[in-house]
Amino acid sequence: AQSVTQLGSHVSVSEGALVLLRCNYSSSVPPYLFWYVQYPNQGLQLLLKYTSAATLVKGINGFEAEFKKSETSFHLTKPSAHMSDAAEYFCAVSDQGGTYKYIFGTGTRLKVLA
Amino acid sequence: NAGVMQNPRHLVRRRGQEARLRCSPMKGHSHVYWYRQLPEEGLKFMVYLQKENIIDESGMPKERFSAEFPKEGPSILRIQQVVRGDSAAYFCASSPIQGSNQPQHFGDGTRLSIL
Repeated sequence: AQSVTQLGSHVSVSEGALVLLRCNYSSSVPPYLFWYVQYPNQGLQLLLKYTSAATLVKGINGFEAEFKKSETSFHLTKPSAHMSDAAEYFCAVSDQGGTYKYIFGTGTRLKVLA
Repeated sequence: NAGVMQNPRHLVRRRGQEARLRCSPMKGHSHVYWYRQLPEEGLKFMVYLQKENIIDESGMPKERFSAEFPKEGPSILRIQQVVRGDSAAYFCASSPIQGSNQPQHFGDGTRLSIL
């Protein structure tokens, strides 16, 4: 069975500082991984996806993530945080058992300090 | 190019009433997923449907919950005899074809409150 663990339910960074949100996965097959962002009272917006092509994936709004098979990780980073990045971030793995439903992590709420 | 449309955005029901949540997938998308987000938690899969077929309902509670995606019209998630524990945000997502590398596109959700 596949699973996702997001370490740190709350992360605070100063504006302009590096953002690092952690995601580890468990999968018996090569995974397809996704990062989504959720702003208050809104749905989820796709930031980026890993589908077994390049291990360093660039997404929208300056975010990127690196797939590391040896560490079973897919951490999300952004070199310089902006106030508008404050939101909740979810890592998800696609179930490869046939229905491709998502298994989500519990989310990380990012706070950006002025 | 409309995205995934969910309505209503907010729904208030009293215990014992029925709740109907609607989801219109993106144009050209025939695969619909429903997820539930409880307060301070991540999203949990409920059901996956294609037109006129339920493909995977392994995340649906065994009683009171049902879903459909008719040939014409939106997908409907129906909760009968609602209880306080049903209070949550319900999200619908759609994708054009079945495949692990196809990202799902999410609606803005329906926030269900049970009095």
